[in-house]
Amino acid sequence: SAVISQKPSRDICQRGTSLTIQCQVDSQVTMMFWYRQQPGQSLTLIATANQGSEATYESGFVIDKFPISRPNLTFSTLTVSNMSPEDSSIYLCSASQGYSGRRLGTQYFGPGTRLLVL
Amino acid sequence: DAKTTQPTSMDCAEGRAANLPCNHSTISGNEYVYWYRQIHSQGPQYIIHGLKNNETNEMASLIITEDRKSSTLILPHATLRDTAVYYCIAPSGGSQGNLIFGKGTKLSVKP
Repeated sequence: SAVISQKPSRDICQRGTSLTIQCQVDSQVTMMFWYRQQPGQSLTLIATANQGSEATYESGFVIDKFPISRPNLTFSTLTVSNMSPEDSSIYLCSASQGYSGRRLGTQYFGPGTRLLVL
Repeated sequence: DAKTTQPTSMDCAEGRAANLPCNHSTISGNEYVYWYRQIHSQGPQYIIHGLKNNETNEMASLIITEDRKSSTLILPHATLRDTAVYYCIAPSGGSQGNLIFGKGTKLSVKP
């Protein structure tokens, strides 16, 4: 298993500003992911953070809005850019030890970052 | 990913077994079934996964039907702390980690 921490745990931001969320894993992992959970909704995958290359974004999410970095095997950041109230959500980081199959489906999640945009 | 169908909500008495069903009739031969849960205000927690054999760990048991079209997660002695939303997920074998979280089952364990 892996223990995931996120910073900040919550924040209140003004529209038009940007916030960078950090995700730290206590061990080296092959895959890291970023999810969004809007109020009262289930989780939606934003992107896969690839170490040493650009992130892979899901449909509906773009790099200009959600730039992601993954400088090493234990750390990743997600930036929410030019925020609007619609970006108010919980943002969650997860990590997996696998590249495919059953190991990839076993993911460990951070506690989330609660973002409110005014 | 195979589509999964779960009841919206279930109740269970504390100390009793909680049996949470999931239908995944379109599952293919190489797709595992995963169960996660999300306790209020926390990140999702991995519980268990299986392919075709029944599985058991310290948290739960997973019973998969022989035709693999459905499965049941069993919490043998539910406690109040097991109150959560439980998600059944069957990601495709070639997926890059895209766990598609549906609405899940809201399990309420009552004293």
